[in-house]
Amino acid sequence: DAKTTQPNSMESNEEEPVHLPCNHSTISGTDYIHWYRQLPSQGPEYVIHGLTSNVNNRMASLAIAEDRKSSTLILHRATLRDAAVYYCILRDAYSGGGADGLTFGKGTHLIIQP
Amino acid sequence: DAGITQSPRHKVTETGTPVTLRCHQTENHRYMYWYRQDPGHGLRLIHYSYGVKDTDKGEVSDGYSVSRSKTEDFLLTLESATSSQTSVYFCAISETRSNQPQHFGDGTRLSIL
Repeated sequence: DAKTTQPNSMESNEEEPVHLPCNHSTISGTDYIHWYRQLPSQGPEYVIHGLTSNVNNRMASLAIAEDRKSSTLILHRATLRDAAVYYCILRDAYSGGGADGLTFGKGTHLIIQP
Repeated sequence: DAGITQSPRHKVTETGTPVTLRCHQTENHRYMYWYRQDPGHGLRLIHYSYGVKDTDKGEVSDGYSVSRSKTEDFLLTLESATSSQTSVYFCAISETRSNQPQHFGDGTRLSIL
């Protein structure tokens, strides 16, 4: 899977929007962009994924750059419960053979101030 | 929340003893995965399964074996535990392999003294 680059940490205030960036300059045409988050002492939790178009769900929005070399996870109104490590992961839609797990980097540690 | 149960949630054991961790799902998903998470390494894939009796190795499979005799259960065994296998172990499931989310259990914290 292609590599992603995320800031080590970000800080935001409660009830404000949060924009978490991810760079993936070597993304291939069949790579989907997935976001997971991991709250303290819990397993990772799926947030959202997309290929080319922006995506929205009940948890967040995903904005994908036109050249697909970067993306942004948007939390529209952060709460204290959103404090977690956020992982941006590329996943080939046609991955075949070999190990097929997710490749987690170090992610972005999001701190929410009350 | 996806129906995934890992057991035990915590275990302390001694070097050289066998250890089996269990992952049980109620979603009837075909794919199941075992990861370990260590400080400074993130999550790494140990083994995965793509059906009953069908398993394959991941990135860090040495010292681990797995079995899947039923769709709902995926067992991870440390034949002879070593201190380097002290870690938090996560099970995950997914409905299909590519491009579908994986759903994770709450983890098993394993300490080997």
